[in-house]
Amino acid sequence: AQTVTQSQPEMSVQEAETVTLSCTYDTSESNYYLFWYKQPPSRQMILVIRQEAYKQQNATENRFSVNFQKAAKSFSLKISDSQLGDTAMYFCAFGNQGGKLIFGQGTELSVKP
Amino acid sequence: DAGVIQSPRHEVTEMGQEVTLRCKPISGHNSLFWYRQTMMRGLELLIYFNNNVPIDDSGMPEDRFSAKMPNASFSTLKIQPSEPRDSAVYFCASSTNLQHSDYPNTDTQYFGPGTRLTVL
Repeated sequence: AQTVTQSQPEMSVQEAETVTLSCTYDTSESNYYLFWYKQPPSRQMILVIRQEAYKQQNATENRFSVNFQKAAKSFSLKISDSQLGDTAMYFCAFGNQGGKLIFGQGTELSVKP
Repeated sequence: DAGVIQSPRHEVTEMGQEVTLRCKPISGHNSLFWYRQTMMRGLELLIYFNNNVPIDDSGMPEDRFSAKMPNASFSTLKIQPSEPRDSAVYFCASSTNLQHSDYPNTDTQYFGPGTRLTVL
């Protein structure tokens, strides 16, 4: 069975600084997808970034980028130029070809002014 | 474009009552997912549908839970009878199945705002 582990329950960062959130996963599959979702206090789940396992190039979306290490089964999220609006719970998720998403326990990020 | 719509946003009920949660997926999406979020167990997939057909309901906790998708634009999750341990936030998500198979590929899932259920 696939598992997703986020080892940092809480993190904080100063506004305009860079922060990296960690995620590791376990799977025996070769084709899969990885996601980072953001859940602000409104509790809406918002897609931040997506990575296909067959792509070697790391995905980027504006200030958000990932470091995907397939052999190490690691998928970290880097947020550059942190903004107050980035304060939220961040979930790493693994998706297999069957369509299921398996979520980590989340990392609560606080951006401080 | 409208996103995934869920209703009600909040529901407070008493133990033993029937609860029905509703979801309207994004137009054109043919895969629909129901999740439950609690502090103890995090986000769990309960059931998902592809082209209105339930594909995997292994996450449904017990027979008190049932889900239907009578058409491409509407799904319900029903709990009967409800219990205090069912208190959680229930999310509906939808995505596009690009493959011609019974199983959806892992296209991006878009989530609704959730329904916060409290069972007293």
